[in-house]
Amino acid sequence: DGGITQSPKYLFRKEGQNVTLSCEQNLNHDAMYWYRQDPGQGLRLIYYSQIVNDFQKGDIAEGYSVSREKKESFPLTVTSAQKNPTAFYLCASSIPFLQGAGYSNQPQHFGDGTRLSIL
Amino acid sequence: AQKITQTQPGMFVQEKEAVTLDCTYDTSDPSYGLFWYKQPSSGEMIFLIYQGSYDQQNATEGRYSLNFQKARKSANLVISASQLGDSAMYFCAMREGQSYGGATNKLIFGTGTLLAVQP
Repeated sequence: DGGITQSPKYLFRKEGQNVTLSCEQNLNHDAMYWYRQDPGQGLRLIYYSQIVNDFQKGDIAEGYSVSREKKESFPLTVTSAQKNPTAFYLCASSIPFLQGAGYSNQPQHFGDGTRLSIL
Repeated sequence: AQKITQTQPGMFVQEKEAVTLDCTYDTSDPSYGLFWYKQPSSGEMIFLIYQGSYDQQNATEGRYSLNFQKARKSANLVISASQLGDSAMYFCAMREGQSYGGATNKLIFGTGTLLAVQP
C-alpha cells in the first residue's frame, strides 16, 4: 500500500543537539511538507518542497533545516537553534496544485507523526 | 491575510445524532479550496472532504457533507448519524492562492474542534 512513513515515532533531544526526523513516501508525489503541531493548536508549516532539490521556508522555519535529494524523502533537522522543539511533527505529501489542471481537489496525505521532546 | 477560524474548541454529540462543526475563512483570492481533516488521538491526519470555491454544489462524502455558504465565507462540516469512532479533533484548512508560474498546495489550518460522541 502507498503511504507516508515517518520515523521515529518518539524522539528525545538533549540540549545543544541536532536531531533529524525521517519522512519517506511511495505515493510518487512531487510536493512534500513539514508541519509542527503544538497542544490544542492547528498545524503550522515549517518547510515545503514542490520538486526535488528545491524547497521553501514556511511560516516557522527558524531553527529547522531540510533537504530534498530524492523524490521519496524529505528529512527535517531540528537544530540546536530551535529553543522550543517539543511538539508533534507531521510530514505530508501531495500532487502539486496546478490551476486548471484538474487537480484542485487533491488533498495532502499525512504520515503518523513524530513526537519530539527535550530532555 | 488568509485565515481559518474554528470557534468551537469542543463539542458533544449523542451517538446517531447529526453534528455541525463550524469553520469560517478569510481570503481575498477568488479561487481557493477548503478541506476538512480528522485527527484521532493516535495523531494521523485523515482527509474527509473538499470544497472548491467554484463548486456549484455542496460536497458530500458518505456521512460527511459540507454546508458551503460562500457569501458568508463559511464551510461547516456536517456529520450525520454520529458514531463513537467519530470522536476526534477536526480541522478545517484552506489552500492558499496559486503562485503564478509555479504550483503550490500550501494549507492554512484552523485551531480545530474536539468532538466527543457519547453513547
